[in-house]
Order: sequence, then C-alpha cells, then structure tokens
Amino acid sequence: GQQVQQSPASLVLQEGENAELQCNFSTSLNSMQWFYQRPGGSLVSLFYNPSGTKHSGRLTSTTVIKERRSSLHISSSQTTDSGTYLCALERASGSWQLIFGSGTQLTVMP
Amino acid sequence: GPKVLQIPSHQIIDMGQMVTLNCDPVSNHLYFYWYKQILGQQMEFLVNFYNGKVMEKSKLFKDQFSVERPDGSYFTLKIQPTALEDSAVYFCASSLGTEVFFGKGTRLTVV
Repeated sequence: GQQVQQSPASLVLQEGENAELQCNFSTSLNSMQWFYQRPGGSLVSLFYNPSGTKHSGRLTSTTVIKERRSSLHISSSQTTDSGTYLCALERASGSWQLIFGSGTQLTVMP
Repeated sequence: GPKVLQIPSHQIIDMGQMVTLNCDPVSNHLYFYWYKQILGQQMEFLVNFYNGKVMEKSKLFKDQFSVERPDGSYFTLKIQPTALEDSAVYFCASSLGTEVFFGKGTRLTVV
C-alpha cells in the first residue's frame, strides 16, 4: 500500500484563513521534506524536517516520528499560497530515494 | 535557495529517437537524482547517482535509460529509444546527503 499518505487531497480557503496539511507514513523514516509545487510544475523546498518543529515565516512544519506523521501549517493564507504541497520521506533503510505523497491541492480565494 | 538548472525546459521528440536531458546540479553537491512526473500524477523516483555510479534505480528506470556525469559537466539522462509512455516531466535533483533540491523540470513530449 501507500507508504506516504497526504490529507486532505484538496482544500479551499478564504484569504486569511489557516491551513493544516497532514502527511502520514507507514515506514521508518530517515528524513522528511515538504515541497511546494508551483502551477507550472517547479518544486520549491519548504522544509527539511526529520523531527521536531521548524518555522519559516507563516509556515510551520512538525514531524512526530513515534506517531509517523508530519504536518505543515500555513497561517494567514494568501492567494499566492495556492498550489500543490507535497511531503516526501526518505526511508531509514539506507535507500536515498524520496517517496512522495500524492499532494494537497490548496486554493486560496481572495 | 540553491539552484539546480535543467536544460531544455521543454523537448518534443519523435518516438524511437534518442533524447538527452541535461542537469546542472548545485556545485558542491554529491548525490544526483532523476524523478519522473506524468501530468496530474505522483512524483516518482527513477535513479540516484553518487561517486560516478548508479546507487539505486526503480522499476521505472528501463533498460533504455542511462545516466552519467562526466567530470565537471552536466548530469544527464539519456533515453534511447524513446517510447510514447516516456512523455512526462523529468526532474533532476541534487543533495549533499540531506535536503534535496530540485530543478524546474524538463517537459518531454514523445510524438
């Protein structure tokens, strides 16, 4: 089955609302990364967060290894936040490949 | 953040022909990757490359695919011959072993 599951699959917000995106994984991880995929397709690394909580502006990432989950919180959303958010994990097995979730499609309305 | 450059951004090629996708990774990075994303679908790992060798490859990395990085030049993905199902966006990535940085992708269309 899917090793990395993201929820929700899609989310529509009004500008100014907060968003909480979830990533659950079924395997031991070596690292967790969150990406933003622009509508044109390019990927931007948001967080490299194997464990704990990290902040960057309006974004917060929290990875709890024991609970096999990672979350991305977006506060005070803006229309420019619209796009696809992907989580990806590197397994603890010595494999270096990133396994991606299927993404959350975020739409922020003005 | 660090930039991975991919050339070209878009390539159209006739089925059966050879294509080479070029990637200029971050200058001091050691690990190089190719990923494939078919329109509207999940990002999938193809191959990673370290110290001049393929370290790991997925089932998607068919016999028609090859990678190399001659000293000081591009990290390349070659497909020979191409097939219709190779149409996708191919993303190059690089890392020092921790955070992975991606290029903007090359959209390959096989007709």
